[in-house]
Amino acid sequence: AQSVTQPDIHITVSEGASLELRCNYSYGATPYLFWYVQSPGQGLQLLLKYFSGDTLVQGIKGFEAEFKRSQSSFNLRKPSVHWSDAAEYFCAVGYGNKLVFGAGTILRVKS
Amino acid sequence: DADVTQTPRNRITKTGKRIMLECSQTKGHDRMYWYRQDPGLGLRLIYYSFDVKDINKGEISDGYSVSRQAQAKFSLSLESAIPNQTALYFCATSDLNLGNTGELFFGEGSRLTVL
Repeated sequence: AQSVTQPDIHITVSEGASLELRCNYSYGATPYLFWYVQSPGQGLQLLLKYFSGDTLVQGIKGFEAEFKRSQSSFNLRKPSVHWSDAAEYFCAVGYGNKLVFGAGTILRVKS
Repeated sequence: DADVTQTPRNRITKTGKRIMLECSQTKGHDRMYWYRQDPGLGLRLIYYSFDVKDINKGEISDGYSVSRQAQAKFSLSLESAIPNQTALYFCATSDLNLGNTGELFFGEGSRLTVL
């Protein structure tokens, strides 16, 4: 069965520091992978998506993610975190007509 | 105005009561979804609909029902609410096959508390 694991429930980084959020997926075929962000009191917004081709994808707000098939991973990165990046981040895998979401990682940014 | 609107945004009710959460969208999308969010569990799919005549169960449909009144409206009902249905509920839309190039567009959520 398709599944997504986000190993870190909470992560705290200092403003200006780099960020990496981990995501591992389980899926038998070529995956379609997504990262969504949920700001407090808001719905989810798509950050970026991977379907095929270049394994490094760029998204909004300065985020990028790298697909590594050998590791079944799709980690999200940002070189320099801003206080406004504090939110919950969800990795998801798409198959057929559905998305399966991970449990989410809450990012805290300290000044 | 938001493209995907959910009402009510917050609701407190008692065990056994019937509750309806409503969703309307102005994006013109055919596909609509109801998800439930619980801390530590992410989002889980309750029901989805690809058009007015098409309703499908998701992974956690027990205790819920839905109605697609029009292309733009998709409501979620709890016929007899129970405390473990306390959660944040999201409506979402998409215009393409999610497993391929589609993107979900979310409402702001409806927080339901069942006492």
